[in-house]
Amino acid sequence: ETGVTQTPRHLVMGMTNKKSLKCEQHLGHNAMYWYKQSAKKPLELMFVYNFKEQTENNSVPSRFSPECPNSSHLFLHLHTLQPEDSALYLCASSQDMTSGGDNEQFFGPGTRLTVL
Amino acid sequence: RKEVEQDPGPFNVPEGATVAFNCTYSNSASQSFFWYRQDCRKEPKLLMSVYSSGNEDGRFTAQLNRASQYISLLIRDSKLSDSATYLCVVNIRTNFGNEKLTFGTGTRLTIIP
Repeated sequence: ETGVTQTPRHLVMGMTNKKSLKCEQHLGHNAMYWYKQSAKKPLELMFVYNFKEQTENNSVPSRFSPECPNSSHLFLHLHTLQPEDSALYLCASSQDMTSGGDNEQFFGPGTRLTVL
Repeated sequence: RKEVEQDPGPFNVPEGATVAFNCTYSNSASQSFFWYRQDCRKEPKLLMSVYSSGNEDGRFTAQLNRASQYISLLIRDSKLSDSATYLCVVNIRTNFGNEKLTFGTGTRLTIIP
């Protein structure tokens, strides 16, 4: 496996379900990110982890719960979601968050989430 | 005012034409600037960084005007494979020394044969 992988690629869940999204990066990076992409809206940064420590939480509702057990893996735990949470959830990684200058982020293919 | 503002398009351009995209950003503390490309139902990928001196990569030219807080992307001799959404991205260094990318909504480009 190379780059950034995400599973599952598609997920349909009810509002009472609990599910988790998984992201894995094989690039030796130290920073990982969760983004939400809704139709006709810009990518919204949700969470950032740098060296396994959460450094950013962009006022995300508590029904989204991130977990970063190590620098290569990132999870997003979902519970009691709402239909408006339906979107593409993208994971990304970069070298780290303090390297200065160009710090390219590499994105995974995303999980297309539908909440019924 | 949006942090990063782009014309959403769509731009429908004949093959071989030149097309230009513009972007403005609101935070004067922005550190670095990028254009990302996102194909339909795919993830965003870095197209090129944008430097104050302007930079060119083949048919693509990016310009930055810090005084006007304005970024541009020019595509010459457009190809069918250039059809995608182009995202203007601004990197801001936060008070904690971290870097945070802020994305525009993207400009959708379709090259017509």
